[in-house]
Amino acid sequence: AQSVTQLDSQVPVFEEAPVELRCNYSSSVSVYLFWYVQYPNQGLQLLLKYLSGSTLVKGINGFEAEFNKSQTSFHLRKPSVHISDTAEYFCAVSGSGGYQKVTFGIGTKLQVIP
Amino acid sequence: DSGVTQTPKHLITATGQRVTLRCSPRSGDLSVYWYQQSLDQGLQFLIQYYNGEERAKGNILERFSAQQFPDLHSELNLSSLELGDSALYFCASSVGMVSNYGYTFGSGTRLTVV
Repeated sequence: AQSVTQLDSQVPVFEEAPVELRCNYSSSVSVYLFWYVQYPNQGLQLLLKYLSGSTLVKGINGFEAEFNKSQTSFHLRKPSVHISDTAEYFCAVSGSGGYQKVTFGIGTKLQVIP
Repeated sequence: DSGVTQTPKHLITATGQRVTLRCSPRSGDLSVYWYQQSLDQGLQFLIQYYNGEERAKGNILERFSAQQFPDLHSELNLSSLELGDSALYFCASSVGMVSNYGYTFGSGTRLTVV
């Protein structure tokens, strides 16, 4: 079974500043990793995913994440945030290969301050 | 519009009642997943169907049931409702059974039990 921990429940950051949202996972097998974003009153939208290969993954809206196997982390970063990035961000993990359930973290609320 | 349609968007009902939530997956997707999102428990996986058959079960109560029909739409039935069942219920879909493509989420049904 896999689990995922999002270390910060809320992250306030000023507009145009960089941001990092932290995610650590636990798994006994190889994993797939995902970041989703949920804007107010909407469903979750896939931001990016890591399946294999390059550990630096680029996603939509200027976000990127780095897979670090030794630290079992998959932190999400953006060099300069906008007001429109205010949303809740979910890290998710599943085992790779065959059918594997996706487990979501509790979410991190990103609040961009003008 | 993500392509996943959920109805109704809002539902208010009394304790002890039964409701049905409906989901139409994105065109071409064969898997449907149901998730419950509450403030204290985050996003909890309930159940998955693939091409009409149940594939995986998560933390789904016995009072809850689901099915996927031949046209691939799915319904989640919640009965003997309790106040604690108040939550956002999301449906997601994916092309296959495995997670590597990521999920497409609908915008959810907000259930309020009074």
